[in-house]
Amino acid sequence: GQQVMQIPQYQHVQEGEDFTTYCNSSTTLSNIQWYKQRPGGHPVFLIQLVKSGEVKKQKRLTFQFGEAKKNSSLHITATQTTDVGTYFCAAWHMDSNYQLIWGAGTKLIIKP
Amino acid sequence: GAGVSQSPSNKVTEKGKDVELRCDPISGHTALYWYRQSLGQGLEFLIYFQGNSAPDKSGLPSDRFSAERTGGSVSTLTIQRTQQEDSAVYLCASSFLRPGQGETFFGQGTRLTVV
Repeated sequence: GQQVMQIPQYQHVQEGEDFTTYCNSSTTLSNIQWYKQRPGGHPVFLIQLVKSGEVKKQKRLTFQFGEAKKNSSLHITATQTTDVGTYFCAAWHMDSNYQLIWGAGTKLIIKP
Repeated sequence: GAGVSQSPSNKVTEKGKDVELRCDPISGHTALYWYRQSLGQGLEFLIYFQGNSAPDKSGLPSDRFSAERTGGSVSTLTIQRTQQEDSAVYLCASSFLRPGQGETFFGQGTRLTVV
């Protein structure tokens, strides 16, 4: 079946450092969404990217969709404790039987 | 309702018992999904309902799992003869449009513990 590879599985950073997570697909995606799940919580929608090469920003968060629409990234500048959680990408393409294909998630951990 | 509602929030059951988990999606949302999430893991797709179409059951792990959606609204996930490996958080989600065409809203989940 269709898969979206998400890396890394974990990232430990000092508060104030940057964080990046990547999602990659072997096939072209129709669009990609990003979600955040706080510890003990449920996934919450952050953003959707549709266009080739699209870049969107939400304060310290920058989301990119690759030119070939096969990869995407989420970059957080100057992490804060409120950023802690797991970030998931979820992709959709016409061959996925109308399912969202979820990445495995990247857990952001702030070092004490 | 204001959001996706799931009940119960926690369920402890004995191995071999049947359990029913309920999901009340956001009013008007035609798409409804069930996912399973084990501790520290990603989302495992279970089943997807879209309007009046036949559900996509391709993610159900065994025939002990079944789900129905009545009247295009409330959904129930049933696990028969529960096993310890069924212990996980079961998340329900709904969306207004087809997957990937808009935001998917998640409920708070039901934490199932099989002892």
